[in-house]
Amino acid sequence: NAGVTQTPKFRVLKTGQSMTLLCAQDMNHEYMYWYRQDPGMGLRLIHYSVGEGTTAKGEVPDGYNVSRSTTEDFPLRLLSAAPSQTSVYFCASSSFGGRNTEAFFGQGTRLTVV
Amino acid sequence: KNEVEQSPQNLTAQEGEFITINCSYSVGISALHWLQQHPGGGIVSLFMLSSGKKKHGRLIATINIQEKHSSLHITASHPRDSAVYICAVQGAQKLVFGQGTRLTINP
Repeated sequence: NAGVTQTPKFRVLKTGQSMTLLCAQDMNHEYMYWYRQDPGMGLRLIHYSVGEGTTAKGEVPDGYNVSRSTTEDFPLRLLSAAPSQTSVYFCASSSFGGRNTEAFFGQGTRLTVV
Repeated sequence: KNEVEQSPQNLTAQEGEFITINCSYSVGISALHWLQQHPGGGIVSLFMLSSGKKKHGRLIATINIQEKHSSLHITASHPRDSAVYICAVQGAQKLVFGQGTRLTINP
């Protein structure tokens, strides 16, 4: 099925552990994004990419790394997890800006850091 | 000041009422999205607008590019419409989200 696939859906990490959240899209979208959603805070942009080989920082990039080695994949890496990174993470993709831009979202990853 | 402002933040209404959620933005955009998120659920795109008005069932979305304002209307609201509604604008390089409006429809 076409769309954005995010894995895993749930994860519990211990402080200091590392992990990678995977995001893949099969719509050939140039733009991909990682957001975190916290109660009362709305969606905040962590990192984004405007095409293969590019990445850029969003509002809350500290503690996270990303890469965009292919158009399809945009993994988010937590190098040393902290309790402050407990959140729900959403990956999204969109086609190039313009009147026909559409955005698609993954199902989210609920991460708990203990 | 946030680039995208939604109002109200919370809205409670009775079943059958006409609902309006507003979104104002301060940046240049190529498109505006209305999204829906149910408790514990993923995010679903309801509408993508670049001008005028779109209708899907009981949902209507309008946008005024000159005034940088969009509204989402729900006619004959139902308890299953209870969700968080999020406005997002497509800027030059990224999507920018509003804080969301939590809608509760009581039977």
